[in-house]
Amino acid sequence: EAGVTQFPSHSVIEKGQTVTLRCDPISGHDNLYWYRRVMGKEIKFLLHFVKESKQDESGMPNNRFLAERTGGTYSTLKVQPAELEDSGVYFCASSFSGVSYEQYFGPGTRLTVT
Amino acid sequence: GENVEQHPSTLSVQEGDSAVIKCTYSDSASNYFPWYKQELGKRPQLIIDIRSNVGEKKDQRIAVTLNKTAKHFSLHITETQPEDSAVYFCAAIAGGGADGLTFGKGTHLIIQP
Repeated sequence: EAGVTQFPSHSVIEKGQTVTLRCDPISGHDNLYWYRRVMGKEIKFLLHFVKESKQDESGMPNNRFLAERTGGTYSTLKVQPAELEDSGVYFCASSFSGVSYEQYFGPGTRLTVT
Repeated sequence: GENVEQHPSTLSVQEGDSAVIKCTYSDSASNYFPWYKQELGKRPQLIIDIRSNVGEKKDQRIAVTLNKTAKHFSLHITETQPEDSAVYFCAAIAGGGADGLTFGKGTHLIIQP
């Protein structure tokens, strides 16, 4: 079974540019989460999709971040325009409701804003 | 919302000794407590978890204990080995279990040969 995949693995952009991160969850997982880890700090929750619907987006920092989950499959996280403080590692995770609470993480996208 | 505190931030132990990492949480409604291990450059991986109706769970050299009254839980690793070196994160979820995780700040565990 393929795990959670994320693309790209690394992205370096200049302040003010736009970046789109992609996450492909484990097939059949209805829950999809985005998290971010800023250097040396904890992994922080950004938002949670159940299928194509946003269940909880309380962790989204501001309106420069836009997440979508088309058709309840893969998800994208767009940052526009990027700021220096957006640098960090963005993780995606997925889980299947009703089986266990375990969230399976992707390898992350390391975003550097210069 | 939930707040999870984790200690220590760095822990160095001799190979073969035990390691203990402690976490506290603030939301008494939290009912699921996973521990993740993240090796350098790799994804966080679940190593053990516990639900609020259980006080202790063990899996080979790893165990987790939960004290709901005091709102703290701990990870115990016995007979540590070099491959145990990693960053360990505790986390908590309130509600039905499918919510977002609230993580502690992580513990960098170093196993000295």
